[in-house]
Amino acid sequence: QVTLKESGPALVKPTQTLKLTCTVSGFSLSTSGMRVSWIRQPPGKALEGLARIDWDDDKFYSTSLKTRLTISKDTSKNQVVLTMTNMDPVDTATYYCARSRRGYGDLDVWGKGTTVTVSS
Amino acid sequence: QSVLTQPPSVSAAPGQKVTISCSGSSSNIGNNYVSWYQQLPGTAPKVLIYDNNKRPSGIPDRFSGSKSGSSATLGITGLQTGDEADYYCGAWDSSLSIWVFGGGTKLTVL
Repeated sequence: QVTLKESGPALVKPTQTLKLTCTVSGFSLSTSGMRVSWIRQPPGKALEGLARIDWDDDKFYSTSLKTRLTISKDTSKNQVVLTMTNMDPVDTATYYCARSRRGYGDLDVWGKGTTVTVSS
Repeated sequence: QSVLTQPPSVSAAPGQKVTISCSGSSSNIGNNYVSWYQQLPGTAPKVLIYDNNKRPSGIPDRFSGSKSGSSATLGITGLQTGDEADYYCGAWDSSLSIWVFGGGTKLTVL
């Protein structure tokens, strides 16, 4: 069974750096074609794609957030990490990680999400 | 402002049919697969339709998808109260190199 689980702090202060971890099971991050994305959703608002990392370590970032985001993976730990610098209250959201696969046009498995509030 | 455009809300009576539109451009829907997601209150999105018109196992055939040019449509027949949710279209954007989504459509089953 393929699962993804997000973890990280529930509360961060403005200007701090957020570090989120996505722990996957049921598949390997090094298997050809596997991809993991981070998506966020502010309260009452739409989904927003943030970043994606592929099995071969290719990385992609939201144009508007590129300077603040870093995505990486630790295959031995089955983890994908997203860091976002200079957090602001507008970054308050539920952050999801989700899997996609080369050749398939969807995010087929999502984590349950982790809620992050940015407040002093 | 979402990259893909959806109506904010749709409604219909139980047993009826509803369609939800999603408009994009050549960099996303026009040249990549469209997928549709159902988000029940307080839960993560779940894929309903992938590769424009395919249903994952376990998704009833009441749900259907189609695509024409840079637009896509989700259809739901035999509406049930349990279908009340937010629905999102999504696609990879080859120019932005990121997943893009619609603003979401809230379905109300009257």
